[in-house]
Amino acid sequence: DGGITQSPKYLFRKEGQNVTLSCEQNLNHDAMYWYRQDPGQGLRLIYYSQIVNDFQKGDIAEGYSVSREKKESFPLTVTSAQKNPTAFYLCAMSGGASDEQFFGPGTRLTVL
Amino acid sequence: RKEVEQDPGPFNVPEGATVAFNCTYSNSASQSFFWYRQDCRKEPKLLMSVYSSGNEDGRFTAQLNRASQYISLLIRDSKLSDSATYLCVMDTGRRALTFGSGTRLQVQP
Repeated sequence: DGGITQSPKYLFRKEGQNVTLSCEQNLNHDAMYWYRQDPGQGLRLIYYSQIVNDFQKGDIAEGYSVSREKKESFPLTVTSAQKNPTAFYLCAMSGGASDEQFFGPGTRLTVL
Repeated sequence: RKEVEQDPGPFNVPEGATVAFNCTYSNSASQSFFWYRQDCRKEPKLLMSVYSSGNEDGRFTAQLNRASQYISLLIRDSKLSDSATYLCVMDTGRRALTFGSGTRLQVQP
């Protein structure tokens, strides 16, 4: 939807396993973001990237890692160091003069 | 104090009612403000940007009060399809946005 896709929609993993969430956009936007949302909570920023091969930590980066090797792709790895990984993960993009962000459909990660 | 504060609701209103949400923010340097709508278990979607002069889009009106550091969203003639969570959003000067926890609206027949 809106040129940004996330996969898979639902993901189940065992505790202690790393897992990588995919985020792809085809609108040639420079900036991409990862957020996490817990039930009844707002979105919290994990990592963001303004340009290829560069990214910055957000408010809750511990236990996560990202890469930005290509403009269209910004994968997020949830490592075993993340204490409470079960959440709804949202990827977003923005570009141009506006700060508006547009979201992918999200991935629901459940760690068993 | 949270950077962005919203009344979580729920606001239960009948169809056709007018409802207003407020959102207060603490960072006086914020420049960009938005309202997003989020349906249950879906991604947030941009509803409208909020300009200093206020702006209107159909049944929706958004206003910004910099002096008191709040933004508002007014929905007129509520529809059942307006039922959702409304997120107050603003920039924090680092090219990333800060989201409020949302206000839930339930429009009843």
